[in-house]
Amino acid sequence: NAGVTQTPKFRVLKTGQSMTLLCAQDMNHEYMYWYRQDPGMGLRLIHYSVGEGTTAKGEVPDGYNVSRLKKQNFLLGLESAAPSQTSVYFCATERGDNEQFFGPGTRLTVL
Amino acid sequence: EDKVVQSPLSLVVHEGDTVTLNCSYEVTNFRSLLWYKQEKKAPTFLFMLTSSGIEKKSGRLSSILDKKELFSILNITATQTGDSAVYLCAVEINTDKLIFGTGTRLQVFP
Repeated sequence: NAGVTQTPKFRVLKTGQSMTLLCAQDMNHEYMYWYRQDPGMGLRLIHYSVGEGTTAKGEVPDGYNVSRLKKQNFLLGLESAAPSQTSVYFCATERGDNEQFFGPGTRLTVL
Repeated sequence: EDKVVQSPLSLVVHEGDTVTLNCSYEVTNFRSLLWYKQEKKAPTFLFMLTSSGIEKKSGRLSSILDKKELFSILNITATQTGDSAVYLCAVEINTDKLIFGTGTRLQVFP
């Protein structure tokens, strides 16, 4: 089992470019989350999903969109990247008992 | 505003020392408190605490929650270099949301 995977692992964008981060899980978990981690700020929740076809906003949703068309995938989109979105992005899944399983992270730099 | 505060921000110890990491919180609708260990990449789950005064233990790590004073501590006894990591505290405030603290960076030297 791969667990939680994220693609890509690294990406450099120019301001204004768009991209999509993919999170995939093979654990059949209902809940999926996207976090960003910045120095001195801890993990902050961007968006989350409680099941296929549903999404909801977290703490810092502005500038991001998400989709959960299939249970195993949770996509995070940046329509027009800004330098403030330079961060490490973590995806996590949870079956509903609070134990979250994290992906390896995606390091994004926006120039 | 909901917040989770961890202290100290950073800690340097020698192998064999005992350390105590602190996590205090001010949130509405507290449901549980969780501790994670983050080494090079993704955080890994350590403990979930929901009730005051009940210690959770796993090997040399233990944790306890005080819901009256709104804090939790994570103890690590007889530290080893492999304990070096960032330890994250998170509080679940609704069914689906976690708020994370900034973490405590622990460095254990031989």
